[in-house]
Amino acid sequence: DIQMTQSPASLSASLGETVTIECRASEDIYSNLAWYQQKPGNSPQLLIYDANSLADGVPSRFSGSGSGTQYSLKINSLQSEDVASYFCQQYNNYPWTFGGGTKLELK
Amino acid sequence: EVQLQQSGPEVGRPGSSVKISCKASGYTFTDYVMNWVKQSPGQGLEWIGWIDPEYGSTDYAEKFKKKATLTADTSSNTAYIQLSSLTSEDTATYFCARGAPFDYWGQGVMVTVSS
Repeated sequence: DIQMTQSPASLSASLGETVTIECRASEDIYSNLAWYQQKPGNSPQLLIYDANSLADGVPSRFSGSGSGTQYSLKINSLQSEDVASYFCQQYNNYPWTFGGGTKLELK
Repeated sequence: EVQLQQSGPEVGRPGSSVKISCKASGYTFTDYVMNWVKQSPGQGLEWIGWIDPEYGSTDYAEKFKKKATLTADTSSNTAYIQLSSLTSEDTATYFCARGAPFDYWGQGVMVTVSS
């Protein structure tokens, strides 16, 4: 199974700040990577797919980058509604696997 | 509008089974696989498997091959997951999610295993 290592596990940032979350795969996943946002009590929502494509309706302050085994999610100009947990997921090899998550809080 | 409407919370006794549904609307049900994802309390996400509603074909993560059974009814546009031989480790929220990557999710069903 492909292991997805996500960092940091938690993050505290101020409004307006730029935040970056990293995800490392145990082998090349050829950009078959998605990022999800999950707010407390809600189901996850797709933010980014194919490593850098913005899902429909997602604000442009979210962006994804990376290739091979290293990927990142960047949130520009952090807003209060961005407080959530974020998960990466690879869909290159079965079983599809998720990172452990990053809990983002406001400072 | 695409919607995945899941059934209500379940309580199951250890050793029993539960069956959860996920009714799809707003798109052609047979055009996308349906995935199931487990989220244990306060924990991350685990992919259980998917079903292709058009052909009924399935694929499971090894860990869930003896635990979960995925089915789909194209006449009602509904996908199902049955969890068998319940233990405390099955207490979790179970989501259905469309396609790959998972572009739409159900609201989740809390399954509690308790005697």
